[in-house]
Amino acid sequence: ILNVEQSPQSLHVQEGDSTNFTCSFPSSNFYALHWYRWETAKSPEALFVMTLNGDEKKKGRISATLNTKEGYSYLYIKGSQPEDSATYLCAFGTTSGTYKYIFGTGTRLKVLA
Amino acid sequence: DTGVSQNPRHKITKRGQNVTFRCDPISEHNRLYWYRQTLGQGPEFLTYFQNEAQLEKSRLLSDRFSAERPKGSFSTLEIQRTEQGDSAMYLCASSFGLAGGQDTQYFGPGTRLTVL
Repeated sequence: ILNVEQSPQSLHVQEGDSTNFTCSFPSSNFYALHWYRWETAKSPEALFVMTLNGDEKKKGRISATLNTKEGYSYLYIKGSQPEDSATYLCAFGTTSGTYKYIFGTGTRLKVLA
Repeated sequence: DTGVSQNPRHKITKRGQNVTFRCDPISEHNRLYWYRQTLGQGPEFLTYFQNEAQLEKSRLLSDRFSAERPKGSFSTLEIQRTEQGDSAMYLCASSFGLAGGQDTQYFGPGTRLTVL
């Protein structure tokens, strides 16, 4: 069974604080690692697609890193704002069996004004 | 075309009834995915299509579930003889099918199923 774990499950931060989350995945049969943001009552929205060990991606105040050899990815949010409140999901793309994506359970972020 | 659409958005049914959901992907997208999400969990892969071909089906998917994508455009997911454990959010996503892992999935708003 392929397991993708995210931590923490949830957290509250104050507006302006920086924060980071972890996504852990199997280090074998790696194909890609995707990050999504899922706001309540909306569709999950793709943030980053990462494929190479050592990849670093950035979009505004949000950035992500990838370590495929040890099987983890970090998502960083700098200067959190209330509009960053959402569930952040990672999805591990694997070639194990046939190509598919396995999602973690997400990190629920609440940014307090 | 503004994105992936799903219908209905909500469905309440009685145990034992059949239900069918529809997903309309972004028109240029070759791949279409179905996921199921229950409270406190991430989306769980159910199946995916490359054009009209169903290429992968989760072993967790019982024989009561069937999906089709005729003509490689919209897709339907049917659940026969629904059970209370089928209550969940059913998400559809589509993508271009780019190689090398660069294939971003675009999600629809989901269909929330409640089985009484």
